Amino acid sequence: NAGVTQTPKFQVLKTGQSMTLQCAQDMNHNSMYWYRQDPGMGLRLIYYSASEGTTDKGEVPNGYNVSRLNKREFSLRLESAAPSQTSVYFCASSPDRGRGAFFGQGTRLTVV
Amino acid sequence: GEDVEQSLFLSVREGDSSVINCTYTDSSSTYLYWYKQEPGAGLQLLTYIFSNMDMKQDQRLTVLLNKKDKHLSLRIADTQTGDSAIYFCAESISGRNGGSQGNLIFGKGTKLSVKP
Repeated sequence: NAGVTQTPKFQVLKTGQSMTLQCAQDMNHNSMYWYRQDPGMGLRLIYYSASEGTTDKGEVPNGYNVSRLNKREFSLRLESAAPSQTSVYFCASSPDRGRGAFFGQGTRLTVV
Repeated sequence: GEDVEQSLFLSVREGDSSVINCTYTDSSSTYLYWYKQEPGAGLQLLTYIFSNMDMKQDQRLTVLLNKKDKHLSLRIADTQTGDSAIYFCAESISGRNGGSQGNLIFGKGTKLSVKP
């Protein structure tokens, strides 16, 4: 039982490059989330998806796009990476409100 | 807006109890959570409490909730070196579409250091 799987685990990009962070969960959860974690800032919500086919902006959506491909997969795309997007990105999923969210191991992204 | 506040650091000796405190602002929060993050890892859900409860105990962990003061605490009994980590408090707020989906708002985390 893998839980929430993120790929890649590490990535270095040059400013202006694009990339997609992949996330998949095998727990049949309805809701999925993308967070970024920066030193001293805690976790901030980028986008979330309450169910297949729906996505909504979180606290810090600028510079990102998402796709809820199906119930299992929720991807995060950086169209033109900037150094300010250097961060650790976490994908999470949850079955319903109240049961908490389960996190992947994170993607450590550096934009130079 | 919603905000969750925690102290940033806590240092205890092995075998002592640790108490990590948190305050939140959204009075409509129905669930509050504690997560643990070890270095280089994702967040692990430790425990949660429903807002109509005052206390929840799970082995060495005790969660206390004062809803009037919007104060949440996590007590770790007999703290061990393996408990060294960052602990995040989080509240569940209503999603834009309502229903059962709830977004989590996190505090900045409390780094617990356990000295032998």
